[in-house]
Amino acid sequence: DAGVIQSPRHEVTEMGQEVTLRCKPISGHDYLFWYRQTMMRGLELLIYFNNNVPIDDSGMPEDRFSAKMPNASFSTLKIQPSEPRDSAVYFCASSLLAQYEQFFGPGTRLTVL
Amino acid sequence: AQSVTQLGSHVSVSEGALVLLRCNYSSSVPPYLFWYVQYPNQGLQLLLKYTSAATLVKGINGFEAEFKKSETSFHLTKPSAHMSDAAEYFCAVTRAAANTDKLIFGTGTRLQVFP
Repeated sequence: DAGVIQSPRHEVTEMGQEVTLRCKPISGHDYLFWYRQTMMRGLELLIYFNNNVPIDDSGMPEDRFSAKMPNASFSTLKIQPSEPRDSAVYFCASSLLAQYEQFFGPGTRLTVL
Repeated sequence: AQSVTQLGSHVSVSEGALVLLRCNYSSSVPPYLFWYVQYPNQGLQLLLKYTSAATLVKGINGFEAEFKKSETSFHLTKPSAHMSDAAEYFCAVTRAAANTDKLIFGTGTRLQVFP
């Protein structure tokens, strides 16, 4: 298996633009997690899905952020409109069960100018 | 609710010296505990995990951790540091036998290894 795949690896955009981050989990994993990592706030869980259904989105910072999982092999995290304070590395991870080992993707480094 | 506390955001050791990264957890029920490592510009990867079997857990790259219930600790150790161990290390906890619970991560400890 290729592991968790994220795209793009780097994204530079201007304030106010829409940003879409993509994730392909490991085949057969029922859980998918979106994290954000910054120097100031560390690693934050934004949202996670079980069998494509959002279970806990309490970490989503505000309405500008939305996440979807239309099928078992694809998820998106969208920021609209983006702001400079959204600059961070966004990780996607998947696991068989929520409490089991999570496999992380390489991350998307987002820079909002 | 579960939580983990990692003591020391930065730890520096000399190459060949003992590595000790501290993690204390809080959980009202039996926990599962994990250590992850993050190398620069990479995602997190699992070093080792405790899932209620042996209390001394061995992981990759010579790391090990011991679950001590009386001390609510799960410290990570390696007898002899190598330059390649320089990375950020995260401790995480979740409830055992709670299939839908997420992992709760600590704030991380950055390990520096000097020649």
